[in-house]
Amino acid sequence: KAGVTQTPRYLIKTRGQQVTLSCSPISGHRSVSWYQQTPGQGLQFLFEYFSETQRNKGNFPGRFSGRQFSNSRSEMNVSTLELGDSALYLCASSLGWDSYGYTFGSGTRLTVV
Amino acid sequence: QKEVEQDPGPLSVPEGAIVSLNCTYSNSAFQYFMWYRQYSRKGPELLMYTYSSGNKEDGRFTAQVDKSSKYISLFIRDSQPSDSATYLCAMDSNYQLIWGAGTKLIIKP
Repeated sequence: KAGVTQTPRYLIKTRGQQVTLSCSPISGHRSVSWYQQTPGQGLQFLFEYFSETQRNKGNFPGRFSGRQFSNSRSEMNVSTLELGDSALYLCASSLGWDSYGYTFGSGTRLTVV
Repeated sequence: QKEVEQDPGPLSVPEGAIVSLNCTYSNSAFQYFMWYRQYSRKGPELLMYTYSSGNKEDGRFTAQVDKSSKYISLFIRDSQPSDSATYLCAMDSNYQLIWGAGTKLIIKP
């Protein structure tokens, strides 16, 4: 069965621009989570959606936002990009009612110049 | 202080050795404890999860949880060069995973 698909794989943006990243979960999975991974901070939770509702949000500024569609696909948006937003953005999907069954995509590598 | 502490390594061992990877945590509310493996340019892959205290074995991998000490371990037997990767511990909290820093493991042929 197909895994979690994230697009695009690589992205280069300029400071001040905005960016939208996409995540298609495993078929049947209703929860999608987003994480930011950097060498200095490691993996940090951004937000989690289940059936189009945000259930939890991490400690990131309001420039980071997300949404989930009725087919469980999710997007995250970062506005007014800063150099420090350069990171690997990972999406994970799960059924939504267990605490361990997360499957991750390969991520989107965002570079802000 | 971070909620989950993990030595980033690198940890370098010869092929065939037993590897021990560890994490400590501070939040006694954690119930699910997971180990992920991450290869370069890939997302984390779930290796094992354990609920509450105890041991769990899957092939060459054994996960241990000691809730009284707030300490979890992953053992890899008969380590192979293909096991070279970063190993991350993670714990669940309200629909989010709290991660260790990850330990870079190098298995030398």
